[in-house]
Amino acid sequence: GAVVSQHPSRVICKSGTSVKIECRSLDFQATTMFWYRQFPKQSLMLMATSNEGSKATYEQGVEKDKFLINHASLTLSTLTVTSAHPEDSSFYICSAKWGISGGYEQYFGPGTRLTVT
Amino acid sequence: AQSVAQPEDQVNVAEGNPLTVKCTYSVSGNPYLFWYVQYPNRGLQFLLKYITGDNLVKGSYGFEAEFNKSQTSFHLKKPSALVSDSALYFCAVRDRGASDYKLSFGAGTTVTVRA
Repeated sequence: GAVVSQHPSRVICKSGTSVKIECRSLDFQATTMFWYRQFPKQSLMLMATSNEGSKATYEQGVEKDKFLINHASLTLSTLTVTSAHPEDSSFYICSAKWGISGGYEQYFGPGTRLTVT
Repeated sequence: AQSVAQPEDQVNVAEGNPLTVKCTYSVSGNPYLFWYVQYPNRGLQFLLKYITGDNLVKGSYGFEAEFNKSQTSFHLKKPSALVSDSALYFCAVRDRGASDYKLSFGAGTTVTVRA
């Protein structure tokens, strides 16, 4: 099946620093990846759609200068949280679009727990 | 516009009993429907999807879901629940006519199966 990995699984950083999270599709090519944020016991909030070779499309209310997304290859998308603050602490999950036709599924990474101190 | 409602925050069942997790959806056109499960501090795992055809969809780990167009529902079911089924379940929808492949998720239902 389609496997998506994320690295790191857990990161603690100091306020004001930047953190990069990687999302990789391991056994398939993903032209489209998605980045979500999830607060405890809540649903997933879509942050942005990442398309290989082009700029990401951000959802309303998401600061594109704060959450930098780069989809440089068909198997890798990165999310960089710049100048992180404690309110950026959250669980970040990526997914990759995969399917033959029509009913494309999203396969999700295991998530990255970011804690900003 | 598309949206999903999961009316129950929590579902509690005894092991061996049937499990049902409810989901209703709203889309402008026809839907693609999905169920995912999330264990603590993990990403989402795909369970099953409805694309077209048979309204009863069978998925992983003995789960199934029934698509009901007239009631705009896609309830998840398992005939005999296991303690290991205890997790957070998400229903999601995508409009077939949409080209952005975005999913809309429900708020999630926490399932607790007691031994």
